[in-house]
Amino acid sequence: NAGVTQTPKFQVLKTGQSMTLQCAQDMNHNSMYWYRQDPGMGLRLIYYSASEGTTDKGEVPNGYNVSRLNKREFSLRLESAAPSQTSVYFCATIREFNQPQHFGDGTRLSIL
Amino acid sequence: GEDVEQSLFLSVREGDSSVINCTYTDSSSTYLYWYKQEPGAGLQLLTYIFSNMDMKQDQRLTVLLNKKDKHLSLRIADTQTGDSAIYFCAESHDYKLSFGAGTTVTVRA
Repeated sequence: NAGVTQTPKFQVLKTGQSMTLQCAQDMNHNSMYWYRQDPGMGLRLIYYSASEGTTDKGEVPNGYNVSRLNKREFSLRLESAAPSQTSVYFCATIREFNQPQHFGDGTRLSIL
Repeated sequence: GEDVEQSLFLSVREGDSSVINCTYTDSSSTYLYWYKQEPGAGLQLLTYIFSNMDMKQDQRLTVLLNKKDKHLSLRIADTQTGDSAIYFCAESHDYKLSFGAGTTVTVRA
């Protein structure tokens, strides 16, 4: 009964390094999301995938790319990490339009 | 566009009621949500209300919605130390949610 699984849980990178954050869900949900959480700013949407085979930009997409590998998996890639991308990243899923989102436990990413 | 605002901090004595307020701007929102985040964890759905409802009660939680004023509130009765957390208000629009910045609730003995 895993729900939404994010890996890794913690990561430290140097400026300029690349990194892929993984998200997998076992709930057969259609839509998947990537957010970043920064103090005092709530959650901001980076990218989302309304259904398998589609991806769309959210509020803060610059510096990120995504891949909806299949229905279960949605990855977030930082090609050249910057200190401003230090944050907690959350993956979320919903079964269909207007349903509540289910969240993973987050990836804590620090970029030095 | 969507914009959700909520106060950042609330301190409440154990056993009292907590009221967390939220305002939103998107009048076409279908659902409004309350999520809870404990330290080091992800967001946990607490409750949600459909936009054509005024109130929803679920055990110690009461959600009030004033659609005319675009105001949402969450009342927690008999607040316990385990209720200390960050509470996020969110509104839905199509496939996306817009979140407030979160209200940090501290329960003091």
